[in-house]
Amino acid sequence: QKEVEQNSGPLSVPEGAIASLNCTYSDRGSQSFFWYRQYSGKSPELIMFIYSNGDKEDGRFTAQLNKASQYVSLLIRDSQPSDSATYLCAVHHDYKLSFGAGTTVTVRA
Amino acid sequence: KAGVTQTPRYLIKTRGQQVTLSCSPISGHRSVSWYQQTPGQGLQFLFEYFSETQRNKGNFPGRFSGRQFSNSRSEMNVSTLELGDSALYLCASSAGQTTGANVLTFGAGSRLTVL
Repeated sequence: QKEVEQNSGPLSVPEGAIASLNCTYSDRGSQSFFWYRQYSGKSPELIMFIYSNGDKEDGRFTAQLNKASQYVSLLIRDSQPSDSATYLCAVHHDYKLSFGAGTTVTVRA
Repeated sequence: KAGVTQTPRYLIKTRGQQVTLSCSPISGHRSVSWYQQTPGQGLQFLFEYFSETQRNKGNFPGRFSGRQFSNSRSEMNVSTLELGDSALYLCASSAGQTTGANVLTFGAGSRLTVL
């Protein structure tokens, strides 16, 4: 079983729509959870992190965490063409950040 | 505030050679982590250092090694290069805290091609 699994893509959404990304993790001892965005040819950049159950909002992005279900999600509201990228879910435990394979999102103008 | 600096950005080596990659973390950050990114395997954790001590290591062969200096700068070395070592090697730095969220900031990466 992979440590971090993300819903397979690619995900194509029209401009202005909501993009929904999901992630599950296997290690119940995981302490904090991250969403990174990676544009083609670039390094990952942090979108947001969450470490308490519930929702956390930052602008057009909302992260949701459910530790009982070992589930993390990211919602992107009012999607823009500039949101087209690969989104990486990452889980931190024991000084190590484990990444999912990523979900590629394309926002259609 | 300067970001994470990795050198060299690009390099080409042949099988059997060795390579050393360097990483300068964000000022004040004491933790440095290294990752390998390939199209097939994604981002894989290599190792993490904090105050010159390795705190965790990924599942890579002993050919992959690293170290951290007293100024928090880090190097990783790959010996006896294989074709499969061709990848983007990413360094990330953080404060290294053990509570709350330890946010990693990535450098631009060193792209290694092994011929």
